[in-house]
Amino acid sequence: GQQLNQSPQSMFIQEGEDVSMNCTSSSIFNTWLWYKQDPGEGPVLLIALYKAGELTSNGRLTAQFGITRKDSFLNISASIPSDVGIYFCAGPTYGSGNTGKLIFGQGTTLQVKP
Amino acid sequence: ETGVTQSPTHLIKTRGQQVTLRCSSQSGHNTVSWYQQALGQGPQFIFQYYREEENGRGNFPPRFSGLQFPNYSSELNVNALELDDSALYLCASSLVGEQYFGPGTRLTVT
Repeated sequence: GQQLNQSPQSMFIQEGEDVSMNCTSSSIFNTWLWYKQDPGEGPVLLIALYKAGELTSNGRLTAQFGITRKDSFLNISASIPSDVGIYFCAGPTYGSGNTGKLIFGQGTTLQVKP
Repeated sequence: ETGVTQSPTHLIKTRGQQVTLRCSSQSGHNTVSWYQQALGQGPQFIFQYYREEENGRGNFPPRFSGLQFPNYSSELNVNALELDDSALYLCASSLVGEQYFGPGTRLTVT
């Protein structure tokens, strides 16, 4: 079945540093989603990408939809302690209906040292 | 606008018992999807409901079942609980495309 591979698995950085993580797939996705999950909470949608090559920003976060449609990148600039959490990439696969089931990567755990 | 809500927050059950988890979708969203998230892993798709009908199912046994009501809220039922069913159960609601998650129900099976 379809799988999403995220790297790195974890990161431990100093406050103020920039962060980069990526997600790759063996299959094409037409949408890429990036979520952040805090401990004991549900994932919160950060950025949605809908077109190959698209570059989208949300504050200090920037994500890109790869040209091949098989990868995506998330960058966080000038990290702060509240950026701590697990970041997931996800892509929908479609059957009938309007909303696909989401396939998630394994997550990248980010820790920020003040 | 009210987001996705789930109840209960936490639940402890014994192996073999049955459990019902509830989800209220975000206002205007007609699709609810359920996911199981084991510790240290990404969410795994269980099934999806669209306008009260099941609309896709993941690799979960029949003892996982669900319902969607006319107001688009939803239930997840799990029969004959097993220890491996211990996980965070997430529901997500959507209209088209992006899915918005609730806070989850933490189920512990002993």
